Amino acid sequence: SQTIHQWPATLVQPVGSPLSLECTVEGTSNPNLYWYRQAAGRGLQLLFYSVGIGQISSEVPQNLSASRPQDRQFILSSKKLLLSDSGFYLCAWSVREGTQYFGPGTRLTVL
Amino acid sequence: KQEVTQIPAALSVPEGENLVLNCSFTDSAIYNLQWFRQDPGKGLTSLLLIQSSQREQTSGRLNASLDKSSGRSTLYIAASQPGDSATYLCAVNAGGTSYGKLTFGQGTILTVHP
Repeated sequence: SQTIHQWPATLVQPVGSPLSLECTVEGTSNPNLYWYRQAAGRGLQLLFYSVGIGQISSEVPQNLSASRPQDRQFILSSKKLLLSDSGFYLCAWSVREGTQYFGPGTRLTVL
Repeated sequence: KQEVTQIPAALSVPEGENLVLNCSFTDSAIYNLQWFRQDPGKGLTSLLLIQSSQREQTSGRLNASLDKSSGRSTLYIAASQPGDSATYLCAVNAGGTSYGKLTFGQGTILTVHP
């Protein structure tokens, strides 16, 4: 069966510090991968998606970036965090346009 | 641009009641629609997926319907239980070159009290 992992579960970072969040999927090959952010009062927003290794599409302009160094690994990064980057970050996978399955999420607080 | 609206924003019902959650979307050119459940501080759990060619899907006490032409979907929960308390989200997938990107509604917060 398929499993999706995210870490860390929670993170508290100062403004201006770097960020690296990791997501890995087990039990499937060549999945579509997604990064979402859920901010208080703003719902779920798609940040990045990837249909293959090295293929990243960005949905919103921001100081975040994403990379997919391996088929089942998706990384969200920032060089310098802003207060507005605080939120709940969710990784998801799907087979093409099928059901999306979400990870447990990372709670990021930027102080 | 696709917009998804969920009504009501919050709902509180006694245990055992049947209930309906509503979802509407502005662009009827969708590939599929998913309903999710989110418990506080947790990720999303997929409940049902309805393809654009389908009218409804059922899983246990849950039944989701889709009327693509009118831009509406409903999630029916039968015989509600306290364990059903959570936020319910609907999301629309435009498909095609959108590569499975989902547009979410703001969710309905459901509380089922004993």
